[in-house]
Amino acid sequence: GENVEQHPSTLSVQEGDSAVIKCTYSDSASNYFPWYKQELGKRPQLIIDIRSNVGEKKDQRIAVTLNKTAKHFSLHITETQPEDSAVYFCAASRIYNQGGKLIFGQGTELSVKP
Amino acid sequence: EAGVAQSPRYKIIEKRQSVAFWCNPISGHATLYWYQQILGQGPKLLIQFQNNGVVDDSQLPKDRFSAERLKGVDSTLKIQPAKLEDSAVYLCASSLEASYGRYFPSSYNEQFFGPGTRLTVL
Repeated sequence: GENVEQHPSTLSVQEGDSAVIKCTYSDSASNYFPWYKQELGKRPQLIIDIRSNVGEKKDQRIAVTLNKTAKHFSLHITETQPEDSAVYFCAASRIYNQGGKLIFGQGTELSVKP
Repeated sequence: EAGVAQSPRYKIIEKRQSVAFWCNPISGHATLYWYQQILGQGPKLLIQFQNNGVVDDSQLPKDRFSAERLKGVDSTLKIQPAKLEDSAVYLCASSLEASYGRYFPSSYNEQFFGPGTRLTVL
């Protein structure tokens, strides 16, 4: 079945360093890849997304890269700040066929130490 | 704009009891999703509605879970009877439109999540 693997499960960095989270998906027909940030006890919120016709997308300190051949995509956070501490989820979807059903990864708990 | 509303926020029940959750999506959003998020895991889709019709309920345990969205707006998710393994956060999400063989801007697909209902089954 459809599956998304996410690594690492936990990540600790010093403030100002970069953080990278990687995901691999199994469904080669997936064409939409959002990233969600979930702070403790709060709802997931979309921080960036990418479609399969684009290899890279950037929004200020965050960027996402996609390698369709290898079926993996990554989230890059530069100049990390303590407020970046949260659990990050990647997801994959076929937005043109399955109506946006998201398959989520297991999550990465990011801790940014001041 | 107002976000996705859910109630209750917390619920504690004993196994074999029944429970119901309510969701009110963002106004104008055609698609509504119910996810189950077990502690330490990513959300898992239980059921997806497009207006008042079911699009995907392949992962809904239909022997105990049911959901409806009668007027294409609010939705309720019910568990009867509850089991210990149903302890989780139940998240409702909505999106403007789900793409079915048509192209929409990314903004149409963005799913907005509610605050969730934390269910504890004792």
